[in-house]
Amino acid sequence: DGGITQSPKYLFRKEGQNVTLSCEQNLNHDAMYWYRQDPGQGLRLIYYSQIVNDFQKGDIAEGYSVSREKKESFPLTVTSAQKNPTAFYLCASHQAGDTNYGYTFGSGTRLTVV
Amino acid sequence: AQSVTQLDSHVSVSEGTPVLLRCNYSSSYSPSLFWYVQHPNKGLQLLLKYTSAATLVKGINGFEAEFKKSETSFHLTKPSAHMSDAAEYFCVVSDRGSSASKIIFGSGTRLSIRP
Repeated sequence: DGGITQSPKYLFRKEGQNVTLSCEQNLNHDAMYWYRQDPGQGLRLIYYSQIVNDFQKGDIAEGYSVSREKKESFPLTVTSAQKNPTAFYLCASHQAGDTNYGYTFGSGTRLTVV
Repeated sequence: AQSVTQLDSHVSVSEGTPVLLRCNYSSSYSPSLFWYVQHPNKGLQLLLKYTSAATLVKGINGFEAEFKKSETSFHLTKPSAHMSDAAEYFCVVSDRGSSASKIIFGSGTRLSIRP
């Protein structure tokens, strides 16, 4: 079945450490996105990519980095510059240029700073 | 400019009674509107969408929503709540055909179901 796979499901980070969250899709979607979700808030866009080797900052990109070397993969690195990284991270995808069909979401990664 | 407002942060209903989750939007152009559901520690699942066809949209699990342009609303309803409906619900607006950065999520409504 087609879908989006996020891993790991739970991730713990020490202060000052970089960590990378994985997102893989087999839907042949052009566009992929990373969102951050905090309790009681909606989703906030971190980065998005509409084509391989290209990506744009969203509303809260500071302290994060991404790459898009392959169509099916869009990993997110949470760097030590992100001062409050504890949150639930969601990856999503859809066909670029057409939001009418909604997004497909992964099951999320919960990141906790210890 | 687009925006979306979910009028209730928490709704509690008894099992078997109707559900109403309210959503108001603003959009400069013709909007596409969506409702998503999120169970604890899970991703978001699309419940239903409005993209300019029929104004009454039927979704999965017995949910439906009506697009009312005059009221700029897209409220989510279900005739009879089930315990499994307990979750977080998000209303989403985008200008039709717009890019990812133009998609706006509401802050969510937590639905609780009383036995």
